[in-house]
Amino acid sequence: GEDVEQSLFLSVREGDSSVINCTYTDSSSTYLYWYKQEPGAGLQLLTYIFSNMDMKQDQRLTVLLNKKDKHLSLRIADTQTGDSAIYFCAEGRSGSARQLTFGSGTQLTVLP
Amino acid sequence: DAGVIQSPRHEVTEMGQEVTLRCKPISGHNSLFWYRQTMMRGLELLIYFNNNVPIDDSGMPEDRFSAKMPNASFSTLKIQPSEPRDSAVYFCASSRGQGTGELFFGEGSRLTVL
Repeated sequence: GEDVEQSLFLSVREGDSSVINCTYTDSSSTYLYWYKQEPGAGLQLLTYIFSNMDMKQDQRLTVLLNKKDKHLSLRIADTQTGDSAIYFCAEGRSGSARQLTFGSGTQLTVLP
Repeated sequence: DAGVIQSPRHEVTEMGQEVTLRCKPISGHNSLFWYRQTMMRGLELLIYFNNNVPIDDSGMPEDRFSAKMPNASFSTLKIQPSEPRDSAVYFCASSRGQGTGELFFGEGSRLTVL
């Protein structure tokens, strides 16, 4: 079945760049997503990328997709303390939400 | 626009009691999902509905769990009887069910079973 894997923890200094990595197994994925979960809150979609793209940039966020290696990354430039949260990678097929598979989440801690 | 609304936000109950969690999806969304989040198991999909019909309940842990969606604007997740291992945060999410497939999550219901 589908599987999405992420490292559990990442710590960075404020102002540095953060890179959160994810690998997935389903080669038929059509969308890949990054969700952010702040303490005590639900998940919110940060960004997504179509599987036929290899990069997407949105302000401080850069998503890189290596479809051959089934590797997705999220880079946050100039990381701020407000970026401290859990980041979930997810993959889906055919643009249908019911096919989403989530990773375990990466806890990002931004140190002052 | 209101987002996905869940209630209660927090529930503390004793083992053996019935627990009912409620969800109001975003108006116009036709897919609704119930997830459970724990430290040990991460985010697990319990069940999802499309147009009020349960499509896949393979994630429901056991018969003690049941979910209903009597209409497009309301769903419940019931646990009867509850057990301490059911302690978790339960999320409801809704989606248009097409397009980018974005899920909109509620704030969650934190359940503690003593």
